[in-house]
Amino acid sequence: EDQVTQSPEALRLQEGESSSLNCSYTVSGLRGLFWYRQDPGKGPEFLFTLYSAGEEKEKERLKATLTKKESFLHITAPKPEDSATYLCAVQAQSGGYQKVTFGTGTKLQVIP
Amino acid sequence: NAGVTQTPKFQVLKTGQSMTLQCAQDMNHNSMYWYRQDPGMGLRLIYYSASEGTTDKGEVPNGYNVSRLNKREFSLRLESAAPSQTSVYFCASRSTGPYEQYFGPGTRLTVT
Repeated sequence: EDQVTQSPEALRLQEGESSSLNCSYTVSGLRGLFWYRQDPGKGPEFLFTLYSAGEEKEKERLKATLTKKESFLHITAPKPEDSATYLCAVQAQSGGYQKVTFGTGTKLQVIP
Repeated sequence: NAGVTQTPKFQVLKTGQSMTLQCAQDMNHNSMYWYRQDPGMGLRLIYYSASEGTTDKGEVPNGYNVSRLNKREFSLRLESAAPSQTSVYFCASRSTGPYEQYFGPGTRLTVT
């Protein structure tokens, strides 16, 4: 069974204090790993897709990396507007193109 | 380009009542999905439609039915609502393949 575990569950940072969020996964053949941002009361907003180990993608203060067992979302010099819940999801070969397994998210709070 | 839209935004039902959640996308995506999101749990797939005219069960389909009305629209029906169906419901769509999903704003449903 495909599994996605995100840690920590919650993270509180001072503005400017860099950190990383972790997403570890167990799947039978990875087709893609996705990162989303979710603000309170809203739907998840797509951030990145990673397809193979060693791949990296960046967007503003965020950088996502992928290994064979986990992915990291690095946040450099975060600002209060980066406060949100960050979701990780994986698509495995076993599920065809339709089954995506989501983690429970890391709730990030950035304090001014 | 509105992306994925959902109606209603909020709904309160009494046990045993029925209702239909509406979803539409304007991105010409083939695949559409219905998820529910509950505290402490990841997004769970209720039903999906890989293409117009097809629907399949996801992880938690009991108590729900769906209709893929055309390529744009995918509705979710609760025939006899139960308190266990209190949740936030998200519709999503994406192109065929291991690509990212795009989510709607959600419907917050309370069943009393």
